Amino acid sequence: DIVMTQSPDSLAVSLGERATINCKSSQSVLYSSNNRNNLAWYQQKPGQPPKPLIYWASTRESGVPDRFSGSGSGTDFTLTISSLQAEDVAVYYCQQYYSNPLTFGPGTKVDIK
Amino acid sequence: EVQLVESGGGLVKPGGSLTLSCAASGFTFSDAWMSWVRQAPGKGLEWVGHIKSHGHGGTTDYVDPVRGRFAISRDDSKNTVSLQMNSLKTEDTAVYYCTTEFHGAINNWGQGTLVTVSS
Repeated sequence: DIVMTQSPDSLAVSLGERATINCKSSQSVLYSSNNRNNLAWYQQKPGQPPKPLIYWASTRESGVPDRFSGSGSGTDFTLTISSLQAEDVAVYYCQQYYSNPLTFGPGTKVDIK
Repeated sequence: EVQLVESGGGLVKPGGSLTLSCAASGFTFSDAWMSWVRQAPGKGLEWVGHIKSHGHGGTTDYVDPVRGRFAISRDDSKNTVSLQMNSLKTEDTAVYYCTTEFHGAINNWGQGTLVTVSS
């Protein structure tokens, strides 16, 4: 199984400042046939199901604000919130879909400083 | 608008069985790969398993802790997917989400249904 790790476990950022979350996979999730990284990001607010944010490591889902961006390749990935808003307080998860079982990172909690 | 509505959660004793159902609408269900993801109270997300569309063989796959105990099935005529859970353990206690997969990325989530395994 591919093990996903995230850092930090939690972070507090001032409103309008940048938040950066790191995700690492235990093996590459780059699919050579299409040169795409099989990596997604989700946002989960308390009492709600996760909301898809990004897939293929850097493609935003429809309707996701452009302050959210994903980057990275192979085994190392980053989710960046360029200017943190109050509504961005949530737990963020990365997930690989390179191979079964699909696996998630443990989550990173983002709060307002 | 895509809608996934889970039902069937509740309290069950260890060793017992429970079947969850998910009613889907707003997309071509027969083309969709359907999956279940669970979240234990206060914990992270765990993919339980999926069932491919019949066009891709209709096969299933599961995470190791549930393989042999859980079974996913689908009824394309009713736009429903089910999760049959047998030999339930206390560690199966979780909110179970019905989801759709797009190349493995989970692009739609239901609101979830809580399963509590306790004596």
